[in-house]
Amino acid sequence: AAGVIQSPRHLIKEKRETATLKCYPIPRHDTVYWYQQGPGQDPQFLISFYEKMQSDKGSIPDRFSAQQFSDYHSELNMSSLELGDSALYFCASSPLRDRGLTEAFFGQGTRLTVV
Amino acid sequence: GQQVMQIPQYQHVQEGEDFTTYCNSSTTLSNIQWYKQRPGGHPVFLIQLVKSGEVKKQKRLTFQFGEAKKNSSLHITATQTTDVGTYFCAGREWTGANNLFFGTGTRLTVIP
Repeated sequence: AAGVIQSPRHLIKEKRETATLKCYPIPRHDTVYWYQQGPGQDPQFLISFYEKMQSDKGSIPDRFSAQQFSDYHSELNMSSLELGDSALYFCASSPLRDRGLTEAFFGQGTRLTVV
Repeated sequence: GQQVMQIPQYQHVQEGEDFTTYCNSSTTLSNIQWYKQRPGGHPVFLIQLVKSGEVKKQKRLTFQFGEAKKNSSLHITATQTTDVGTYFCAGREWTGANNLFFGTGTRLTVIP
């Protein structure tokens, strides 16, 4: 079965550079989430989209933005990168059911290293 | 904002021993989910609890949702080395919310 696909899997950027992470949710899933997970930390909710519209915001810095496109793929844009942005970034999607009662399927993650 | 704490942060058990992790939310939750993340992997959904006082079992795993819907627990009976990983609870404040908040996680190590 198709899973959530994230690209790239690994990314190395320098401070103050920008980065774009991509997420392709499972087909027919209507909700996409973005999470940031630092080493030994729990996944921190950044932002979510429902039917291509921004749904909820978590601890997403102002330097980050995200959007979901007409084909349901999502991109997380990160500017003015800081060393502290180094983390594993997960995208997850939920199926087209009652939104409050569905599990999130996670992608393999993008490991971002800022040097 | 919503905070979801888990205890203990780390747990080392001998293979065959039982293990329990507790999850406590600062706010009432509409439902709670549990995920397992293996080292180097991504979170994988285990189960969802919705009703107050609900108890669900999956083989050696027992999940409970508190009466006040602010806490939950995961109990593993007779741990195996394949149970190694970090167990996260995750909750939504209200039905339809798309801000699934993860707990701080409990990292389980099973000593063979």
